[in-house]
Amino acid sequence: GAGVSQSPRYKVAKRGQDVALRCDPISGHVSLFWYQQALGQGPEFLTYFQNEAQLDKSGLPSDRFFAERPEGSVSTLKIQRTQQEDSAVYLCASSFGSGSSYEQYFGPGTRLTVT
Amino acid sequence: DAKTTQPTSMDCAEGRAANLPCNHSTISGNEYVYWYRQIHSQGPQYIIHGLKNNETNEMASLIITEDRKSSTLILPHATLRDTAVYYCIVRSGNQAGTALIFGKGTTLSVSS
Repeated sequence: GAGVSQSPRYKVAKRGQDVALRCDPISGHVSLFWYQQALGQGPEFLTYFQNEAQLDKSGLPSDRFFAERPEGSVSTLKIQRTQQEDSAVYLCASSFGSGSSYEQYFGPGTRLTVT
Repeated sequence: DAKTTQPTSMDCAEGRAANLPCNHSTISGNEYVYWYRQIHSQGPQYIIHGLKNNETNEMASLIITEDRKSSTLILPHATLRDTAVYYCIVRSGNQAGTALIFGKGTTLSVSS
């Protein structure tokens, strides 16, 4: 079946621009996670949704980062006034349930380059 | 911080079994052991997970020691396509929506 999809796959933004990254989770998956992966590092948690509720946003690095999932399916990660340190791969993952026994399935990521 | 320790890199010959170790000496009773891998320029791929018992699926086997302080991921017949970074992750079972905490992982290189 269809996996997690993300768009765009690549985004180049000039410093100061706003960007929006989209995630389409696997149909029926309750949980949705966003991660940020810097070059040469493992992914780091940004935020978590259970259906449309954002239950954890402790990993968002600044108030320039905002995420939403208004209908409990598609999610958008928005970064305002992008900075060079925002350059990274942004990964989305979804899981069927909310507990830790449920594995997360990742999308291919969006590579953001801020120039 | 990641609660696991893995070797930085390992080599394996194609067709042989790849045994990837992971130490998690501070694991709690309700924490799962998860394995993911990440092939270059792709998102992490789920491999397997377990709580106490050994587990096997079509991709790999997970062997967890009786005291749960370490585990081994076994790829029974490694192929060139198994070259990737392998992450061992301990994940709390306490609450919903627990994120995965990735460490540096083991870079597995499979050669012919």
